[in-house]
Amino acid sequence: EPEVTQTPSHQVTQMGQEVILRCVPISNHLYFYWYRQILGQKVEFLVSFYNNEISEKSEIFDDQFSVERPDGSNFTLKIRSTKLEDSAMYFCASSEADGLQETQYFGPGTRLLVL
Amino acid sequence: AQSVAQPEDQVNVAEGNPLTVKCTYSVSGNPYLFWYVQYPNRGLQFLLKYITGDNLVKGSYGFEAEFNKSQTSFHLKKPSALVSDSALYFCAVRDLRSHSNYQLIWGAGTKLIIKP
Repeated sequence: EPEVTQTPSHQVTQMGQEVILRCVPISNHLYFYWYRQILGQKVEFLVSFYNNEISEKSEIFDDQFSVERPDGSNFTLKIRSTKLEDSAMYFCASSEADGLQETQYFGPGTRLLVL
Repeated sequence: AQSVAQPEDQVNVAEGNPLTVKCTYSVSGNPYLFWYVQYPNRGLQFLLKYITGDNLVKGSYGFEAEFNKSQTSFHLKKPSALVSDSALYFCAVRDLRSHSNYQLIWGAGTKLIIKP
């Protein structure tokens, strides 16, 4: 069964450093998402992406965040200058189409720790 | 504003007994409801969803969920629990009238522990 994959599984970085989180969505999916979950808190939506453009973003997704589909398979989340509060589990997801009924399929997550 | 509540942080069930994980929602329009499960060190796995039609939805691993519009609930159920069902369960919702077509709104999660 096709799966969303994410690398790395864990990332430790110093405050102020840039990090890139990588995702490979399911191959025939066209819509991509990033969510995060700070320890002990709810999963929060960050951004959705389609046709090489951001479709929607939350208030959390400020100027320090960016997303990119650099090639036909990868989907990346870049945090330009990490802060302590960026420490969280970051989940990538993909769906075949848009629409409220569509299921989003999630990767295993990248646990980011900012020191 | 849309919201999802999972009133129980943890549910303990003996193996072989029926289990229920509760979820209630608040949306301004018709809800689209989802259940996901997270096993340790794994991602969020889709279990089932309610879009329209039959209020009883069947999903993966023998789970089912019942949509109750009057009680704004979407409780997850299984007739006979397995130890391997022990995991973290998340309820999520999308709303027809929301400005957003994409994002899922999540509950806080319920830890399900099945004891042998």
